[in-house]
Amino acid sequence: EVQLVETGGGLIQPGGSLRLSCAVSGFTVNSDFMSWVRQAPGKGLECVSLISYDNAIYYADSVKGRFTISRDNSKNTLSLQMNSLKAEDTAVYHCARGRLRAWGQGTLVTVSS
Amino acid sequence: DAVLTQSPLSLAVTLGQPASISCRSSQSLVFSDGDTYLDWFHQRPGQSPRRLIYKVSNRESGVPDRFSGSGSGTDFTLTISRVEAEDVGVYYCMQNTGWPWTFGQGTKVEIK
Repeated sequence: EVQLVETGGGLIQPGGSLRLSCAVSGFTVNSDFMSWVRQAPGKGLECVSLISYDNAIYYADSVKGRFTISRDNSKNTLSLQMNSLKAEDTAVYHCARGRLRAWGQGTLVTVSS
Repeated sequence: DAVLTQSPLSLAVTLGQPASISCRSSQSLVFSDGDTYLDWFHQRPGQSPRRLIYKVSNRESGVPDRFSGSGSGTDFTLTISRVEAEDVGVYYCMQNTGWPWTFGQGTKVEIK
């Protein structure tokens, strides 16, 4: 059974850093696209970063230069390092497999002083 | 970036009646491989989105056949042939033809 479980969210001050992790089971993180999708409270969906099976990496303009996506094949995990956080980064962050065919439950990141 | 515009943004439907949601793209979603990467997602309150339809018209495993997708190029439609109570929530179209992958604004479906 495919499962994705995100951890690492929480309350952080503007300008701070946070690292999200996504533990994957039922498939290997290096076998497919893997992405992070966020949803601000009461808002729509935004795909913020993608890493392909051949290691191509993409970022939304809104997070470029501040967020870094990576994966650890030995631990079968996906990560998102988030630096210089802003209030507008407040959202539930989901990791997702492939072309978003499977999602985790999400982890809430709140950026506030 | 491909901008996806959904209509309507909200829909109240009688149980057993059909419903349709339109999704229009600001540019063609046909990829160089000939496929069109336009998907539909359903999000129930408090849950993660779930992919219903991929590449315009392919239903995910386990998705009831009352859901169907159609369209081409820049115009796409999700149709529910007979709405059931479990179909309430927000529906999003999403393109993954080119980066950034983008979503429509969402259409909220409720029962009349």
